[in-house]
Amino acid sequence: GQNIDQPTEMTATEGAIVQINCTYQTSGFNGLFWYQQHAGEAPTFLSYNVLDGLEEKGRFSSFLSRSKGYSYLLLKELQMKDSASYLCAVMDSNYQLIWGAGTKLIIKP
Amino acid sequence: IAGITQAPTSQILAAGRRMTLRCTQDMRHNAMYWYRQDLGLGLRLIHYSNTAGTTGKGEVPDGYSVSRANTDDFPLTLASAVPSQTSVYFCASSAGDDYNEQFFGPGTRLTVL
Repeated sequence: GQNIDQPTEMTATEGAIVQINCTYQTSGFNGLFWYQQHAGEAPTFLSYNVLDGLEEKGRFSSFLSRSKGYSYLLLKELQMKDSASYLCAVMDSNYQLIWGAGTKLIIKP
Repeated sequence: IAGITQAPTSQILAAGRRMTLRCTQDMRHNAMYWYRQDLGLGLRLIHYSNTAGTTGKGEVPDGYSVSRANTDDFPLTLASAVPSQTSVYFCASSAGDDYNEQFFGPGTRLTVL
């Protein structure tokens, strides 16, 4: 079967750095997405990785290792507005997205 | 219209009633999707459409039907609602190419009593 694993919840302090991990087992791989979802809102796109390595976009970076079935999202200089759920999704061999259950990130002052 | 719209925003429905959730996009995207999101389970694909005139079943299609008569609209119908269909429903669209970033509507919160 297909499976995406992420921690259910994480807590971090404003101004700090946090790393959210995602491991996956899917039928084929055509890319990995990270989305942000604030409570009561729709998911919004953060990053996309299809090749191994680090993709940096401002305060957010995403890393991929295809051989290990592993990705992480790194958030730097945390702000209170970063409190949200972060969803990992893998595009399988049929180009459909398989979603993890999401990681709820709580930022404390 | 900018992006994807969904209607209604929320709805309380009696079990056994028929309900259609509406979704419209103005980005001329080929592919459209319906998901349900339940606490602790993440997004689950109900039905999808790769292009106008075609539809496919996702992970949890039972009790739901869709149609794709044109590029812009992708309604989801619950023929006879049951309490287990209480959920938040998101419609999404994508260009349908290899990259396939999905853009989401604001969601419909449905409660079936």
